[in-house]
Amino acid sequence: RKEVEQDPGPFNVPEGATVAFNCTYSNSASQSFFWYRQDCRKEPKLLMSVYSSGNEDGRFTAQLNRASQYISLLIRDSKLSDSATYLCVVRVLTGGGNKLTFGTGTQLKVEL
Amino acid sequence: NAGVTQTPKFQVLKTGQSMTLQCAQDMNHNSMYWYRQDPGMGLRLIYYSASEGTTDKGEVPNGYNVSRLNKREFSLRLESAAPSQTSVYFCASKGEGLYNEQFFGPGTRLTVL
Repeated sequence: RKEVEQDPGPFNVPEGATVAFNCTYSNSASQSFFWYRQDCRKEPKLLMSVYSSGNEDGRFTAQLNRASQYISLLIRDSKLSDSATYLCVVRVLTGGGNKLTFGTGTQLKVEL
Repeated sequence: NAGVTQTPKFQVLKTGQSMTLQCAQDMNHNSMYWYRQDPGMGLRLIYYSASEGTTDKGEVPNGYNVSRLNKREFSLRLESAAPSQTSVYFCASKGEGLYNEQFFGPGTRLTVL
């Protein structure tokens, strides 16, 4: 089983739609959680951290369910510029420091 | 403030050739990382350095070596390139703290023929 699993998509949605992505992780010792965004042929960039109580940043809402070991990202009022790959990322504390594990990403295409 | 810089941006090698990928950060971060990204595989950690003078293996270290030259620079060396090392390589750095952002360089696209 992969440490971090995501539906690869693509999710094709019309502009203005609401879309949700889920991600599951296998290591119950995971400590912190993130969503990164990666545009085609570019480097990943942090979209938002995911806190235990859930958090919102404008049109984006992230939720964490530790009991079920999943993380979600909700995007409201989708824009064309939201088209990208969204990477679910989990941080685990190891003996050598802390390590990030990346999911393979979910591709979102927002269309007119 | 350039963030994380990588050179070169593109490289084509023949099997058996060697090369070094350079990475530098100007954010005074202790931790630096090298990843490779392949289609359908996600980002996989090759090596990391938690501080100047220390390096540790990640998930896929075989065929690579690294040097943490100083706090700013972390290089990745391929001693004898193989076609399986064709990939996009990203360097990253991170400050302290569980929720600190990991910043990535623009990537190096390497093709080994």
